[in-house]
Amino acid sequence: QKEVEQNSGPLSVPEGAIASLNCTYSDRGSQSFFWYRQYSGKSPELIMSIYSNGDKEDGRFTAQLNKASQYVSLLIRDSQPSDSATYLCAVIPYSGAGSYQLTFGKGTKLSVIP
Amino acid sequence: ETGVTQSPTHLIKTRGQQVTLRCSSQSGHNTVSWYQQALGQGPQFIFQYYREEENGRGNFPPRFSGLQFPNYSSELNVNALELDDSALYLCASSSPSPGVVNEQFFGPGTRLTVL
Repeated sequence: QKEVEQNSGPLSVPEGAIASLNCTYSDRGSQSFFWYRQYSGKSPELIMSIYSNGDKEDGRFTAQLNKASQYVSLLIRDSQPSDSATYLCAVIPYSGAGSYQLTFGKGTKLSVIP
Repeated sequence: ETGVTQSPTHLIKTRGQQVTLRCSSQSGHNTVSWYQQALGQGPQFIFQYYREEENGRGNFPPRFSGLQFPNYSSELNVNALELDDSALYLCASSSPSPGVVNEQFFGPGTRLTVL
């Protein structure tokens, strides 16, 4: 069974600090990786996508991918109270059949303390 | 550019009833995927539609069925509702291309409560 694992948290960081969120996946053939942010009672919002080993930066967000270790992370610099949400890691496992289904972790709840 | 829309926002049904949820994909997107999100869990893939054909299905029973229309909008139908079907139902649209990261964008969801 193809799985995505995340620490459920909650992860608490002070305002202005770096928040580090981690995710591991079981399907070694996975090619595409995503981070979604989900506020309570709302739907997931795509914040980062990455598919090559290394770092990808977008504003205060940096996604890191290490396919050899089957590990994806998200760093949030200068964390703000508005970043408080659940962060979902999602992977498209290799299916070979062309179906681009997302497999999600359970999410990590982040709380940024003012 | 119009985003993904879903209707209704909330729905209350009783066990054994049938429900239809609707989704309009983002402009230019030809693929719709449906997910179920139970409280405190990540979304679970139900199925995906591409050019009006089912293109992949998750571990859900046949009483979960769907359609995609020529304008790429989609419906999710659930028959014989069970209490465990209570969840947030999410529709995501995308436009997959070979060699391109397949980003999926979610609608606001439909909150289904089964009593």
